[in-house]
Amino acid sequence: AQSVTQLDSQVPVFEEAPVELRCNYSSSVSVYLFWYVQYPNQGLQLLLKYLSGSTLVKGINGFEAEFNKSQTSFHLRKPSVHISDTAEYFCAVSGLAGGTSYGKLTFGQGTILTVHP
Amino acid sequence: DVKVTQSSRYLVKRTGEKVFLECVQDMDHENMFWYRQDPGLGLRLIYFSYDVKMKEKGDIPEGYSVSREKKERFSLILESASTNQTSMYLCASSLGSTGSNEQYFGPGTRLTVT
Repeated sequence: AQSVTQLDSQVPVFEEAPVELRCNYSSSVSVYLFWYVQYPNQGLQLLLKYLSGSTLVKGINGFEAEFNKSQTSFHLRKPSVHISDTAEYFCAVSGLAGGTSYGKLTFGQGTILTVHP
Repeated sequence: DVKVTQSSRYLVKRTGEKVFLECVQDMDHENMFWYRQDPGLGLRLIYFSYDVKMKEKGDIPEGYSVSREKKERFSLILESASTNQTSMYLCASSLGSTGSNEQYFGPGTRLTVT
């Protein structure tokens, strides 16, 4: 079984400040890791994903995330946020266990990022 | 541009009614998913389908059923709607079986059961 914990339900920041959204996961098998973003009144869209290789992955809109296997974490960062980054962010994992995975994702509870002027 | 569409953005139904939520994708994806989204709980998987007429239960299938008669269409059915099924419902689709491909989401249907 897999689980994902997003450590902060809400993160308020001022515009142009750096931000980190924290995600920890547990799994008995190797995983793929994802961050999705949901803007108000929209569905989710992919920010970035980690499959293998370099532990630092870059995504859209200036976001990046670092996979830390020993700490089972996949924290999302942006060095300078904009008002338009206000949204809910979801961390998700997909196991590599076998053929019946079919891309099923286990999501965290979500973190609401609010950027203030 | 890839697209997942859902039949309604907002829906209001009465307790006990049978409710159909429809999802259509135009990407020829094998996999389709239904989630419900509730504040503080994230997205929880209700059912998914990896091929026409194939379906598997997710984490919270009770009170729901699904139908996939065509590859592009995946329907969620609430046999007898209850107030605790008031929620946002999201449909998604993805390619392949490895789990490395992203899921593409529809805009969601906000269902209110009164």
